[in-house]
Amino acid sequence: GAGVSQSPRYKVAKRGQDVALRCDPISGHVSLFWYQQALGQGPEFLTYFQNEAQLDKSGLPSDRFFAERPEGSVSTLKIQRTQQEDSAVYLCASSPRTGLAQPQHFGDGTRLSIL
Amino acid sequence: QKEVEQNSGPLSVPEGAIASLNCTYSDRGSQSFFWYRQYSGKSPELIMFIYSNGDKEDGRFTAQLNKASQYVSLLIRDSQPSDSATYLCAVSPLLGNKLVFGAGTILRVKS
Repeated sequence: GAGVSQSPRYKVAKRGQDVALRCDPISGHVSLFWYQQALGQGPEFLTYFQNEAQLDKSGLPSDRFFAERPEGSVSTLKIQRTQQEDSAVYLCASSPRTGLAQPQHFGDGTRLSIL
Repeated sequence: QKEVEQNSGPLSVPEGAIASLNCTYSDRGSQSFFWYRQYSGKSPELIMFIYSNGDKEDGRFTAQLNKASQYVSLLIRDSQPSDSATYLCAVSPLLGNKLVFGAGTILRVKS
């Protein structure tokens, strides 16, 4: 498809388990973003990649959160030792260029539920 | 004070009316402003973006930006029931590429 693809769409995990969320951005898009969206709230920034370089990880809430984009395309967001407060929708977005903020195109997200 | 503020609503308008959605932001150096529409359970969908003071029109949508007042709005003309959704205002701060979102305004268009 032509859009941002995320998998899985839904993930249920027990507290303490590790999870990995995948994002496949629009082909050729340089910039990739991860956001966390709690119910009834707007998305909150987690981290930003320009190609394979992670240029901003200021939004990651703790050192349990880790993201990578090793070849500059697909990205994985990993959460270790999950907690109930990690339950949210995790959105990935990509944009074609850097510079003055470009419109970001979002995937359908992964809804994470921690039991 | 939140960086981007929106009235949570719901804002209810009759079909065919103009819906006016408002957003204020705190970072005076912000450069880029975006409106996204989000249906329940779906991802945010870009409607419009604006960089310069004034109005920008696209079909039934008009974005208005006033940097002096740190205010951005979205007007939806001839509102349709299918416009019923949450509208998210997003701002790109002076430093960085990320978007800072408001909590969104729920719009309900009644037929």
